Amino acid sequence: KNQVEQSPQSLIILEGKNCTLQCNYTVSPFSNLRWYKQDTGRGPVSLTIMTFSENTKSNGRYTATLDADTKQSSLHITASQLSDSASYICVVILSGGYQKVTFGIGTKLQVIP
Amino acid sequence: NAGVTQTPKFQVLKTGQSMTLQCAQDMNHEYMSWYRQDPGMGLRLIHYSVGAGITDQGEVPNGYNVSRSTTEDFPLRLLSAAPSQTSVYFCASSFSRTGETPLHFGNGTRLTVT
Repeated sequence: KNQVEQSPQSLIILEGKNCTLQCNYTVSPFSNLRWYKQDTGRGPVSLTIMTFSENTKSNGRYTATLDADTKQSSLHITASQLSDSASYICVVILSGGYQKVTFGIGTKLQVIP
Repeated sequence: NAGVTQTPKFQVLKTGQSMTLQCAQDMNHEYMSWYRQDPGMGLRLIHYSVGAGITDQGEVPNGYNVSRSTTEDFPLRLLSAAPSQTSVYFCASSFSRTGETPLHFGNGTRLTVT
């Protein structure tokens, strides 16, 4: 059982619509959580970072939330664009730093016209 | 600013062959790492380095060697390729090992072992 679970596994939405991706984690001790975007055939690119004390953080049309008590995070995408089609990966970094990192499998998002 | 550069982009090996995957970064990052990405699994850490001359094992190190003779370069060596090593390999670097700065990934090497 993956210690960082993402849902849904895949999602298809119409251009212009909003969507929310979920990440539940069980690993600890928690340091911070990042969301990465991975285009097909490319390496992941960091979108946001959430530390233990942060609840919400925005980066343009991307808004991440974190509930450290329930160990849940979400990534909300507003007014989706065709270029948002990608996999979105939730990454939990433990107190030991990048030596102690757990990646989720990702949610594959397809935005259609 | 090239970021993290990986070569080759694709490679096919026969079982038992050896090869080196190259990784170079031009951001003067101290932390570098190698991951493999397999279908249905999250990225898994193979080896990492916190500076020139310092390397350590990650979650799945068996069958792989690394070295870090310079800050810029962090090659990954497959000693005797096996079909189980068929995967997409990513190299990444970061200014800090603590997780406070993001990982910068290369675009990957897709390796097939027959």
